[in-house]
Amino acid sequence: DVKVTQSSRYLVKRTGEKVFLECVQDMDHENMFWYRQDPGLGLRLIYFSYDVKMKEKGDIPEGYSVSREKKERFSLILESASTNQTSMYLCASSPLGYEQYFGPGTRLTVT
Amino acid sequence: QKEVEQNSGPLSVPEGAIASLNCTYSDRVSQSFFWYRQYSGKSPELIMSIYSNGDKEDGRFTAQLNKASQYVSLLIRDSQPSDSATYLCAVPFYNFNKFYFGSGTKLNVKP
Repeated sequence: DVKVTQSSRYLVKRTGEKVFLECVQDMDHENMFWYRQDPGLGLRLIYFSYDVKMKEKGDIPEGYSVSREKKERFSLILESASTNQTSMYLCASSPLGYEQYFGPGTRLTVT
Repeated sequence: QKEVEQNSGPLSVPEGAIASLNCTYSDRVSQSFFWYRQYSGKSPELIMSIYSNGDKEDGRFTAQLNKASQYVSLLIRDSQPSDSATYLCAVPFYNFNKFYFGSGTKLNVKP
């Protein structure tokens, strides 16, 4: 079975803090993705990566950065957390051209 | 026009009935289509994929694809209360690296 894990299920941070969300997949997938999901707004793509050290902006990259130093690990970084970044963050991975598999999600609250 | 459109629902059906969920997409060159189920507070879970025109059956689930009409549907036979969830339609972008997700249809199966 494909397994995608995320570093935390719940996270509470203060405004202005630097936040790291980590995602690891064990299926040697080329592609990895970070989404946020908010009520009424659906899934929105933040960044994705199609290879080690390669990344592309998604639809809402502002305020975020990413890092992919190893194929199995994709990190999302909030440089200076703000309250409008309170959300559910979902990581996914996929082999090229095929279905995405999601991790369990991290519910981030910024106070 | 959104790339993938779904009726947000909620769609209410009685237990044992057939639930029909619909999705339209705008990219004529799309070749693969996916249905995800998402329980409240959980991450999306892949339940069906379909690549060719026609029907694909998997247990109580049937995916139907009509590329000429740019339409994909999911039928759930003998609906159970445990099927109550939000169902997301997903279509890969032309280069297969990005997915478009619909906003999801919320299904309620009443005992």
